Amino acid sequence: QLQLQESGPGLVKPSETLSLTCTVSGGSISSSSYYWGWIRQPPGKELEWIGSIYYSGSTYYNPSLKSRVTISIDTSKNQFSLKLSSVTAADTAVYYCARLRGGSYSKYYFDYWGQGTLVTVSS
Amino acid sequence: DIQMTQSPSTLSASVGDRVTITCRASQSISTWLAWYQQKAGTAPKLLIYKASSLESGVPSRFSGSGSETEFTLTISSLQPDDFATYYCQQYNTYSPYTFGQGTKLEIK
Repeated sequence: QLQLQESGPGLVKPSETLSLTCTVSGGSISSSSYYWGWIRQPPGKELEWIGSIYYSGSTYYNPSLKSRVTISIDTSKNQFSLKLSSVTAADTAVYYCARLRGGSYSKYYFDYWGQGTLVTVSS
Repeated sequence: DIQMTQSPSTLSASVGDRVTITCRASQSISTWLAWYQQKAGTAPKLLIYKASSLESGVPSRFSGSGSETEFTLTISSLQPDDFATYYCQQYNTYSPYTFGQGTKLEIK
């Protein structure tokens, strides 16, 4: 059974960089069938897609966050990571990592999710 | 961005009821739509993809329909485990993927 687990600091100071890692178990992150992504959910609000990455390192990001986001992948560790720079209180959210499945016409949806990790931006 | 609008925002229903949640897209997305169920404090769970395809392991009382800009999620006979928040998501374009604001299904 595929499992994803987020890890990283739960508290980040304003203007600093948020860094999270997602460790994948029960499957290979190097599979050509899937993308991997990050989604966040501010408390009490809706879900927002942050960005996604392929095992080759190809990425695509939400234009609203693109200037501050970097997603990378480490196939040797079966992990992928998120960095979000210059954070403010508006970046306080539960951050989820997820697998994207699809393939038809390059249309992908989220089929497995991590449990999520709350990141609070505060001094 | 493609805006996804769900209605209603909150729905009160009883065990055994048939309920329908609507999701409207601001432009045509063909059938590239997914539905998720989220319970408090947990990650979303995929229920339906490609508008009407049931994810493996999801009970058959869940069904989806629609195309272009209007979609529905139907639960044929509500069970106690179904009280949760439901989200639709378009994946016609990844620039960006967008979700609806959610529909909270409450016990009447």
